[in-house]
Amino acid sequence: GENVEQHPSTLSVQEGDSAVIKCTYSDSASNYFPWYKQELGKGPQLIIDIRSNVGEKKDQRIAVTLNKTAKHFSLHITETQPEDSAVYFCAAHNFNKFYFGSGTKLNVKP
Amino acid sequence: EAQVTQNPRYLITVTGKKLTVTCSQNMNHEYMSWYRQDPGLGLRQIYYSMNVEVTDKGDVPEGYKVSRKEKRNFPLILESPSPNQTSLYFCASSGQGTTDTQYFGPGTRLTVL
Repeated sequence: GENVEQHPSTLSVQEGDSAVIKCTYSDSASNYFPWYKQELGKGPQLIIDIRSNVGEKKDQRIAVTLNKTAKHFSLHITETQPEDSAVYFCAAHNFNKFYFGSGTKLNVKP
Repeated sequence: EAQVTQNPRYLITVTGKKLTVTCSQNMNHEYMSWYRQDPGLGLRQIYYSMNVEVTDKGDVPEGYKVSRKEKRNFPLILESPSPNQTSLYFCASSGQGTTDTQYFGPGTRLTVL
């Protein structure tokens, strides 16, 4: 099956700085890559996604890039704010199934 | 309000005592799924359903059962729970296709003693 690796496991940045979270996947058949934000005590919430026919997607301060050749995709958050503090998960979709990374705990210091 | 609901939110039980965690969505979604979340492992998919009466195994289906008799409901059944099934469980649903936005429920924290 698919294997998704996510790095780093924790990330601490100063408010206003950028944060980058990276994921790799193993199966070239994976075709959809969502990113989720999970706040304490809540379920994950989709923040951005990208399909395999697209190299980059941006939504305000959040962007995702995909390199199919290298099988990696990244989440970029610019101008971080304290409310961005949460756990972020990447995922890969493959034949109706989802495979998640192990998560990144982002701490944005005021 | 569009939402995915799960019950119970918290459950402590003993080994071998059958239990069911309910999941319901009010968005007329076709795709529903169950995940378990464990520290350091992220979320792992247990079972999913493409539509009524259509279910299939995810990555970690052992020890679990599901059913999809109605479009809105997708219960997770543990016939004989064991301590290694102690975890945080999430139900999720998405619209017409599996790559539509997936909406997650609030989670069910299960402890098996």
